[in-house]
Amino acid sequence: DVKVTQSSRYLVKRTGEKVFLECVQDMDHENMFWYRQDPGLGLRLIYFSYDVKMKEKGDIPEGYSVSREKKERFSLILESASTNQTSMYLCASSFWESSYNEQFFGPGTRLTVL
Amino acid sequence: AQSVSQHNHHVILSEAASLELGCNYSYGGTVNLFWYVQYPGQHLQLLLKYFSGDPLVKGIKGFEAEFIKSKFSFNLRKPSVQWSDTAEYFCAVNEGNAGNMLTFGGGTRLMVKP
Repeated sequence: DVKVTQSSRYLVKRTGEKVFLECVQDMDHENMFWYRQDPGLGLRLIYFSYDVKMKEKGDIPEGYSVSREKKERFSLILESASTNQTSMYLCASSFWESSYNEQFFGPGTRLTVL
Repeated sequence: AQSVSQHNHHVILSEAASLELGCNYSYGGTVNLFWYVQYPGQHLQLLLKYFSGDPLVKGIKGFEAEFIKSKFSFNLRKPSVQWSDTAEYFCAVNEGNAGNMLTFGGGTRLMVKP
């Protein structure tokens, strides 16, 4: 069974704080993704990575950065959190070799920035 | 850029009613199509997918979807819903030559009344 875990289910931070969201997958997937989920907007891709130390911007990368030092771990960083980054953050992973491979999702981290 | 539209944001049905959720996308080339479901408090999980062959695909829990290329549509159907189908449903599209990246629709919240 594929497992994608995220470091926190709920997180409350203050404006201007640096925030780290961690994601770990145990299926040796090459691809890893960070999305944010907002009501009515669905999931929007922030960043993805197809290999260690590789990253690509998604649709809404502004205000975020990522790190992938190991294949199984993908971190999302908010350098200076702002209230408009209050959201649900979802991590996902998948195999690389086919564009129709299923993405497997973690449980999400609900981040509130005060 | 690719866009995915789910026109029904909220749907309320009684048990045993039939369900059809609309999904339209904008990309004119080869696509892979997905429906994901998020039950209350659970991870996003794959319901079904289409990548080639028979345009009518069957998924888990009695769901099916039909790919109509001429209409850029991939509508989700179930002939008789149950209370346990209460969830949020997301349509997602991958452009066939774009790795494993997905563009999601805004989601449809389905509530089934017992």
